[in-house]
Amino acid sequence: AQKITQTQPGMFVQEKEAVTLDCTYDTSDPSYGLFWYKQPSSGEMIFLIYQGSYDQQNATEGRYSLNFQKARKSANLVISASQLGDSAMYFCAIPPPTGANNLFFGTGTRLTVIP
Amino acid sequence: SQTIHQWPATLVQPVGSPLSLECTVEGTSNPNLYWYRQAAGRGLQLLFYSVGIGQISSEVPQNLSASRPQDRQFILSSKKLLLSDSGFYLCACGRVTGELFFGEGSRLTVL
Repeated sequence: AQKITQTQPGMFVQEKEAVTLDCTYDTSDPSYGLFWYKQPSSGEMIFLIYQGSYDQQNATEGRYSLNFQKARKSANLVISASQLGDSAMYFCAIPPPTGANNLFFGTGTRLTVIP
Repeated sequence: SQTIHQWPATLVQPVGSPLSLECTVEGTSNPNLYWYRQAAGRGLQLLFYSVGIGQISSEVPQNLSASRPQDRQFILSSKKLLLSDSGFYLCACGRVTGELFFGEGSRLTVL
């Protein structure tokens, strides 16, 4: 069964600083992907970044990057140069080993950027 | 590009009343569609998914049901709402790249 753990219910970061949001996972699938989503206060879920388990390099997308450590089963999201608009809930997600490509989500981390 | 429309955006219903939340997708054909629920301050829970017209899979037994009458329409229903049905309901569409694309959500409050 899939398991996603986000141990930080809340995080604070100073504007323009970098922050790391933790995510550990467990899966029986030999090949998998990891997804990060942002949910601002308005509620919509915004896809941020994807990491494939066999990708040779850590994924990057603008100010977002993944610190992927496969042996430790962790896929931490790093946000560089934080902006006030980064304040939101952040969810890590993984697909089940079988099924119609749905995602299993962690409980999320609420990030607050301090001016 | 894909867009997902959900309505109503906000709904306040008494216990025991019926429910119908609608989701329509534009910009794609034969998508995989999903209903998720998010309780206040919690993560997302998959309720139903559909790989085609009339094909519904339920992930969590409950008093909710889903239907897919058309290729790009996905409906979440209930005959009698419970207090525990309150939450934020998100419709999503699977993309070929693997991620899910979400609608704006429908916030349901059951009183």
